[in-house]
Amino acid sequence: AQSVTQLDSQVPVFEEAPVELRCNYSSSVSVYLFWYVQYPNQGLQLLLKYLSGSTLVKGINGFEAEFNKSQTSFHLRKPSVHISDTAEYFCAVRDFGNEKLTFGTGTRLTIIP
Amino acid sequence: DVKVTQSSRYLVKRTGEKVFLECVQDMDHENMFWYRQDPGLGLRLIYFSYDVKMKEKGDIPEGYSVSREKKERFSLILESASTNQTSMYLCASSPGLWTGEGSQPQHFGDGTRLSIL
Repeated sequence: AQSVTQLDSQVPVFEEAPVELRCNYSSSVSVYLFWYVQYPNQGLQLLLKYLSGSTLVKGINGFEAEFNKSQTSFHLRKPSVHISDTAEYFCAVRDFGNEKLTFGTGTRLTIIP
Repeated sequence: DVKVTQSSRYLVKRTGEKVFLECVQDMDHENMFWYRQDPGLGLRLIYFSYDVKMKEKGDIPEGYSVSREKKERFSLILESASTNQTSMYLCASSPGLWTGEGSQPQHFGDGTRLSIL
């Protein structure tokens, strides 16, 4: 069964500094990959997705992620964070032919002014 | 834009009560999902429905049931609420695999924070 690991449960970053949130998944079968963001007291909002094609995908709010098949990773990056990026970020994976998503446990990003 | 609407943002119930959480989506999606979100555990799938009256157990179905009588509506039922079911509940929807849009992501509602006293 697929599993998703987000090793960092909390990441504090100074405002305007770069950030990388790590995501690794277990299965080497073909997958779709997603990052979701959850602002306080809200549901999950899609940040970006990898379905096929270019391994570097760009999302909303200046975020991007790179799919690395050999390392089974899909790390999320932003070159310069803002206070408004304070939120919890979830990585999710779906195997081809499967309707269901497997989520990581989330990374809470805190921006320090 | 896809809209997934959960009927309550906050709900307080007592142990032993039968609790209904309602979810409606407006995009004619085949699939609907109920998740439970707890700190440090991420999102865990309770039940999944891929068509009207069709359902499939997720990872943590114990203590829950679901109902899907219409395509746009998916209800989660706590038959006899217990304190360990205090949690955030999230509903999501997505197109079916066979529709040609099956690679598209799940869309989420704003969640229902349920407290069982």
